[in-house]
Amino acid sequence: AQKITQTQPGMFVQEKEAVTLDCTYDTSDPSYGLFWYKQPSSGEMIFLIYQGSYDQQNATEGRYSLNFQKARKSANLVISASQLGDSAMYFCAMRPNRDDKIIFGKGTRLHILP
Amino acid sequence: DVKVTQSSRYLVKRTGEKVFLECVQDMDHENMFWYRQDPGLGLRLIYFSYDVKMKEKGDIPEGYSVSREKKERFSLILESASTNQTSMYLCASSPTGTGVPNTEAFFGQGTRLTVV
Repeated sequence: AQKITQTQPGMFVQEKEAVTLDCTYDTSDPSYGLFWYKQPSSGEMIFLIYQGSYDQQNATEGRYSLNFQKARKSANLVISASQLGDSAMYFCAMRPNRDDKIIFGKGTRLHILP
Repeated sequence: DVKVTQSSRYLVKRTGEKVFLECVQDMDHENMFWYRQDPGLGLRLIYFSYDVKMKEKGDIPEGYSVSREKKERFSLILESASTNQTSMYLCASSPTGTGVPNTEAFFGQGTRLTVV
């Protein structure tokens, strides 16, 4: 069975510091995609970054990067130079390529302190 | 601008009522999803549809059914609403992932359902 684990229910980080949000996954599928979403207090789900299981390089999108360690089944999100607007809930998700179901972790609530 | 629209932002229903949550997407996506979001539990998949009239159960289908008569519309049905179904419900759509590496889901704004 597919599973996403986010072990940090909440985090407090000083503004301008880098943040690492942990995500581990479990799947028997050899091919899959990994996603991170941001959910601010307004409730909308904002797609941040994608990593394919066969991608050779870690994905980056602006201040977001994904630290992908396939052997450890780990896909941590790194936010560089955090900003107050980064305060939100963050979800890690996975989609195996054999079917299109997307499953999510329980999320991490990030608080950026001024 | 891509769009997934849920018919209601807030809904209050009585125990035992039949409840319909509607979701429409304008991106011609094959896949549509219904999730339930509860504090501390994240997003849990209720049902998934990969084509018109096709559906698969997710992790928590009990007490729910779905309908997909047209490609753009995916309805979640609570046959007899109960208080433990009070939650935030999120609809999403995505293109099929077969052969396409980056197929993230696009979400609606959510429906906060309260069953009293």
